[in-house]
Amino acid sequence: GAGVSQSPRYKVAKRGQDVALRCDPISGHVSLFWYQQALGQGPEFLTYFQNEAQLDKSGLPSDRFFAERPEGSVSTLKIQRTQQEDSAVYLCASSLGTANSPLHFGNGTRLTVT
Amino acid sequence: AQRVTQPEKLLSVFKGAPVELKCNYSYSGSPELFWYVQYSRQRLQLLLRHISRESIKGFTADLNKGETSFHLKKPFAQEEDSAMYYCALYTGTASKLTFGTGTRLQVTL
Repeated sequence: GAGVSQSPRYKVAKRGQDVALRCDPISGHVSLFWYQQALGQGPEFLTYFQNEAQLDKSGLPSDRFFAERPEGSVSTLKIQRTQQEDSAVYLCASSLGTANSPLHFGNGTRLTVT
Repeated sequence: AQRVTQPEKLLSVFKGAPVELKCNYSYSGSPELFWYVQYSRQRLQLLLRHISRESIKGFTADLNKGETSFHLKKPFAQEEDSAMYYCALYTGTASKLTFGTGTRLQVTL
């Protein structure tokens, strides 16, 4: 594969709608990370998977955010009842090891909540 | 809590001039520090990490635990160095990187 693939690239949602963001990591990468990047800020950690196990979800900002990676490959980040403050770029990254291994990022999904 | 500070939002230098992108961190333990870079219309990618002690694209960075800094340096800037640079900290607790807010480097002729 060419790299980490994220879809959609852009998503516009009305406030209150649910959205699902997809991440297809590099084949064989055990670790998968989700980050949120607000305008003018650096990426902020949301959650971490090792294979199918979600080992750290300490960065998820509220219970409206949910992530899964059921077969240890593709991951989905779901945001329920979107709010304007959820507008950001959502980045997915994968790696062979933990976060101190080189992270391979996708192009991100830009979510705009109107 | 750990924090990474990049004090400059924008750094503009002339081609051939030296570059220093500042990064300071707050963490009392033994950190691992990284520089990630995002070129225009490309994805975020690893530039270098302090444990490798290597020079990538002419850039070097030395971890200074006394000053809690990890500044990125290059003696002669090139136009292709223009990009967004993020400093990142790994503390080993919870598997995450803590990123700074980034510095945009603009190299002009």
